[in-house]
Amino acid sequence: GAGVSQSPRYKVAKRGQDVALRCDPISGHVSLFWYQQALGQGPEFLTYFQNEAQLDKSGLPSDRFFAERPEGSVSTLKIQRTQQEDSAVYLCASSLAEGGEKLFFGSGTQLSVL
Amino acid sequence: EDQVTQSPEALRLQEGESSSLNCSYTVSGLRGLFWYRQDPGKGPEFLFTLYSAGEEKEKERLKATLTKKESFLHITAPKPEDSATYLCAVRKGSTLGRLYFGRGTQLTVWP
Repeated sequence: GAGVSQSPRYKVAKRGQDVALRCDPISGHVSLFWYQQALGQGPEFLTYFQNEAQLDKSGLPSDRFFAERPEGSVSTLKIQRTQQEDSAVYLCASSLAEGGEKLFFGSGTQLSVL
Repeated sequence: EDQVTQSPEALRLQEGESSSLNCSYTVSGLRGLFWYRQDPGKGPEFLFTLYSAGEEKEKERLKATLTKKESFLHITAPKPEDSATYLCAVRKGSTLGRLYFGRGTQLTVWP
């Protein structure tokens, strides 16, 4: 595709449900990032992949958050037992080079936990 | 503690009224300062990367500059289509590509 694609665009979950958010990066991009953006805030780093290797997961807020990129392309961010404080926009970004000098962001998944 | 602070939080300009947005930072081992533009309901869009004090970059009506403690995004003769949130981010030498974002400046340009 022409850009980073994220699905679903919107997700409403009841508290305690598990959710899975998908990211299709630009083809051939080595680096993939997940960020969380609360309303009125800047994006906050969650995790970073270089190909299929998860090199930094220090931003994941709890062990309820899990991310994978098994074949070095599509990535999934999973949140178990969702809480109201998980409500935010989850942004995926990819970059051609290692380290991500120029990030291309998707439009995000807006998660609302009721 | 590392910090990225943007000011003002919001800015309203009349079309053609030039101004500047500020990003001040306190990070150890800066490995790049980034400016992004974000439209409502969209992800951030890359504008510039600056690496060293004194560096400047331009794109259309935008010009970014960098000093040892802050960066400015100058907007010359803005148009309504420049309305967006402008985000500043920094990368530290000790991290693997991770960006630390400020809260952004919401710019509105009215005709």
